[in-house]
Parts: sequence; structure tokens; C-alpha cells
Amino acid sequence: EAQVTQNPRYLITVTGKKLTVTCSQNMNHEYMSWYRQDPGLGLRQIYYSMNVEVTDKGDVPEGYKVSRKEKRNFPLILESPSPNQTSLYFCASSLSNQGSEQYFGPGTRLTVT
Amino acid sequence: GQQVMQIPQYQHVQEGEDFTTYCNSSTTLSNIQWYKQRPGGHPVFLIQLVKSGEVKKQKRLTFQFGEAKKNSSLHITATQTTDVGTYFCAGYDYKLSFGAGTTVTVRA
Repeated sequence: EAQVTQNPRYLITVTGKKLTVTCSQNMNHEYMSWYRQDPGLGLRQIYYSMNVEVTDKGDVPEGYKVSRKEKRNFPLILESPSPNQTSLYFCASSLSNQGSEQYFGPGTRLTVT
Repeated sequence: GQQVMQIPQYQHVQEGEDFTTYCNSSTTLSNIQWYKQRPGGHPVFLIQLVKSGEVKKQKRLTFQFGEAKKNSSLHITATQTTDVGTYFCAGYDYKLSFGAGTTVTVRA
């Protein structure tokens, strides 16, 4: 089954404790991205990757890191989480970066206290 | 930079009624996509519009792309409880930008 998986689905952590949210897709998609969803703000892109070892900042990259060592995986790293990073996070993949259909993962609900 | 505005933010609909959500871009778009997110779920792709003035239908849903390729609309007829959720538009010029979404609730 074609899918995007994320782990963990829920996470409560404390300020400053490094965390990683994993994302994996099995569709051989080149393009992957991370979004955060906050009430009234829709989906805002954090980082994206057009291929292995190619990553770039989205609209709200501050406080986040990513890596793309393999085509299927695109982890999101919060080196020192802060309460304003409490949000719902979605990983997404698509065939290309030319505005093609996005396939979203199930989401990770993160709370930073 | 590109901005995509979506209105209304909330839509409360009586079951059986019609409603429309609108999407406006500050720039001319190459294409526009629509997604639906059920409560507690993730966005799921509905459709993509590419051509100026394009109209596509999916059962009770009608999607339109404006002549100038800067706006789009989603019209739902005879709303059902299964239509509950948040509808996002996403416009692409050099990047894909999502609107803030229209959250739809249905009164039975």
C-alpha cells in the first residue's frame, strides 16, 4: 500500500530536549516536505527536499533541521524544542516539486512544555 | 511573496444546503489543488486544476479555476454529514502555498 508514515504520532516533551520525528514514504517520490498546522494558519512549510542530499528552507524553518540521506526517509529534528513549536506536524511526499499531488502522513501531535 | 487567501474560515451548513469556499492568490498560478482533512485526520488530495476557466466535478463537488488563474472555488451541493472537515486550497506558481482552510460543520 502506497503510504507516508510518521513516528511518533503523539509526543509530549520538555523545553530543550532534542527530538526527532521520522518520516518515510514507499512511493519512490523525489520530493518530500514538512508542514506544521496551527489553528487559523493552515499548513505552513518548514523544510523541503527535492532529492537525496538536497534540502531547503520553507516558510517557517527557524528551530528545525532536516536531513535526506535516503530517498525514502526525511526526518525532522528539533535540536532545542520550545513551547512555540507545539503544533501538529505533517510530512508529505510527491512525485516532483512541480506542484504535483501531495501525499500526507498521518501527522504528529507535538506538545512542548 | 505568494499568498493564498481562503474564505470563509468557518462554514456552518444545514444538511441538504449548498455552500461555496473561495481561494484567492496574490500571483498567477500554474495550477491549484484542493485537499480535504477530516477531523483528526490528514489532508487528502481531491483534485488539481490547471487550465484557465477549468471546471471539474466530483459527484456533489464542483471545482472552478478562474480565467486569470488567480482564484478558485469549491462548491458543494446538498451537503451531507460526510462533508464535515477542513477544505484547503493550495496554489502553485514556483512553490506550493496552502490557504488557511475552510472548516465545515453540518447541522443535521
